[in-house]
Amino acid sequence: ELKVEQNPLFLSMQEGKNYTIYCNYSTTSDRLYWYRQDPGKSLESLFVLLSNGAVKQEGRLMASLDTKARLSTLHITAAVHDLSATYFCAVDIRAGGTSYGKLTFGQGTILTVHP
Amino acid sequence: KAGVTQTPRYLIKTRGQQVTLSCSPISGHRSVSWYQQTPGQGLQFLFEYFSETQRNKGNFPGRFSGRQFSNSRSEMNVSTLELGDSALYLCASSLVSSGGIAKNIQYFGAGTRLSVL
Repeated sequence: ELKVEQNPLFLSMQEGKNYTIYCNYSTTSDRLYWYRQDPGKSLESLFVLLSNGAVKQEGRLMASLDTKARLSTLHITAAVHDLSATYFCAVDIRAGGTSYGKLTFGQGTILTVHP
Repeated sequence: KAGVTQTPRYLIKTRGQQVTLSCSPISGHRSVSWYQQTPGQGLQFLFEYFSETQRNKGNFPGRFSGRQFSNSRSEMNVSTLELGDSALYLCASSLVSSGGIAKNIQYFGAGTRLSVL
């Protein structure tokens, strides 16, 4: 059974600092996603990583994927308060070459950025 | 382009009742997935529908069921509600190619928050 583990689960940062969230998964997968969720809100797509070595950047966030290590990272550069949210990674298992709509999510990392 | 629409946004039910939640996907998206989110278990996959057929199912009891209509709209039903069914239920839609493969990311609706008393 696929397991997806994130760490840390709680992250308290000061504005202007850098930090990395890690996402490990247990089974070979073709695709990894990062989502953001604000309190009481739905999930917003941040990145989709499709291949080994993939790197995507948007603003102060950069995501990367190492399929051999089964590891993805979400790096936060010079954090600002607006980045406070819960961040989830999710893995897409492809059975027999098809993907039947099932994402397996990590536990989520609650990020709080303090002034 | 309108996003994924879920109705209702909030529901309060009592144990033993049943409930139906609705999801309208993004126009052109043919795959609809459902998830349950709770503080204890996190985000868990319920099932996925494509072309009115359930193609994938998570580890939930048979009280949880769903269906998809020809216009890709989907409903999920929970019968004989239990206190533990209190959760945020999220629906997500994605684009599917002619070969039935989900090519794009899943876009989530705002969710239906169900409280079982």
